[in-house]
Amino acid sequence: QVQLKQSGAEVKKPGASVRVSCKTSGYRFTAYGITWVRQAPGQGLEWMGGISAVFGNTSYAQSLQDRITMTTDTSTSTAYMELRSLRSDDTAVYFCARLFETHYLGSGSYSPALDMWGQGTVVTVSS
Amino acid sequence: QSVLTQPPSVSAAPGQKVTISCSGSSSNIGNNNVTWYQQFPGTAPKVLIYDDTERPSGIPERMSGSKSGTSATLGITGLQTGDEADYYCGTWDSSLSVGVFGGGTKLIVL
Repeated sequence: QVQLKQSGAEVKKPGASVRVSCKTSGYRFTAYGITWVRQAPGQGLEWMGGISAVFGNTSYAQSLQDRITMTTDTSTSTAYMELRSLRSDDTAVYFCARLFETHYLGSGSYSPALDMWGQGTVVTVSS
Repeated sequence: QSVLTQPPSVSAAPGQKVTISCSGSSSNIGNNNVTWYQQFPGTAPKVLIYDDTERPSGIPERMSGSKSGTSATLGITGLQTGDEADYYCGTWDSSLSVGVFGGGTKLIVL
């Protein structure tokens, strides 16, 4: 069965960096992209960005693009998200999710669905 | 401030029907397909509806999705106490070139 298993909880000081891993299994890793989503305590979902597992090209939220790097290791079917210069408002649960996408050439529309999710990684930023 | 607008909460009695709206613009909902997610506290979201109206296997028929113009709607009939959760709409914004979510709607089954 499809699984995405994330690394464990992290506690970091302001200004530090964090790297969260997302090890996948049960499907062909390069057939899907990986999207990262975070959720601050009591808040909604925030799209952080995504990466193509086959090509490695990335797309980041503008608010994060100076501090974030997403990578993949196809040899281990693992995705990584690194966030630098951490601030207290980066405290959140970080999720990786498999991107199931369809491009409808006739209409030009795009259908992105995050169909499988990791369990989440709690990142706490505190001095 | 979310790009997609959802009501903060909706409520209805068990057995009743409820709808959750998701309002956007021509650059997101108007030209791309919507996914609806259900999230229980402390767990990851799960897909309820994709491609505006499609249900993944295992999602009951009492969950439905629709779209008109720049708004999408999630409908749940035969409400159960187990449906109490947060619901999010999501799609792609072609102008911003980013994924976008609604702010989420808390469903309360009275």
